[in-house]
Amino acid sequence: EVQLVDSGGGQVKPGGSLRLSCAASGFTFSSYSFNWVRQAPGKGLEWVACISSRSSYIYYADSVKGRFTISRDNAKKSLFLQMNSLRAEDTAVYYCARDPAAAGRGAFDIWGQGTMVTVSP
Amino acid sequence: SYVLTQPPSVSVAPGKTARITCGGNNMGTKSVHWYQQKPGQAPVVVIYYDSDRPSGIPERFSGSNSGNTATLTISRVEAGDEADYYCQVWDSSSDHQVFGGGTKLTVL
Repeated sequence: EVQLVDSGGGQVKPGGSLRLSCAASGFTFSSYSFNWVRQAPGKGLEWVACISSRSSYIYYADSVKGRFTISRDNAKKSLFLQMNSLRAEDTAVYYCARDPAAAGRGAFDIWGQGTMVTVSP
Repeated sequence: SYVLTQPPSVSVAPGKTARITCGGNNMGTKSVHWYQQKPGQAPVVVIYYDSDRPSGIPERFSGSNSGNTATLTISRVEAGDEADYYCQVWDSSSDHQVFGGGTKLTVL
């Protein structure tokens, strides 16, 4: 079964760090680009970052650039999001999402179940 | 940065046709993707590249894109179509993916 499983969320204080993971199964992980998308409680979807299949292209939303780092390990079929200097406004459900476009500019055809990140004192 | 504008809500009676718009500058020059999200669930792509439908998505879902507006059309609406719908494009000028604000579809 084609699947993405998000993990690593939790509660953290402002200024703290957290590392999210996304484990893939059922397909050739190294052939796809991936994204992180977040959704604050009761709000819409917000794109966070993307990484191409060979990590040649990496892009960030302005709201997280310089604080978040997206990375991948093709051998372990895993995607990561290192989040530093967290703020209250980073509180959201974080989803990983697959993009069949090699350079990471297409649609998101498979999504993880999401992991909740709460930033509060 | 590129902005996508969606109506906050659309209401439709069962069996009728719902149209959800997504506006953006020169939208017709971009590829638009549409997602359906039900409460407590991850989004699901229902239309990609303007008008292509993934396997498993009913033919009742269709898409178009021209000028400054893309449209998701849901024919013969059913109660199970009630959800939030989001449009998305790649903005090459900023190298950003962009989502619209979302539209809540209510089936009366």
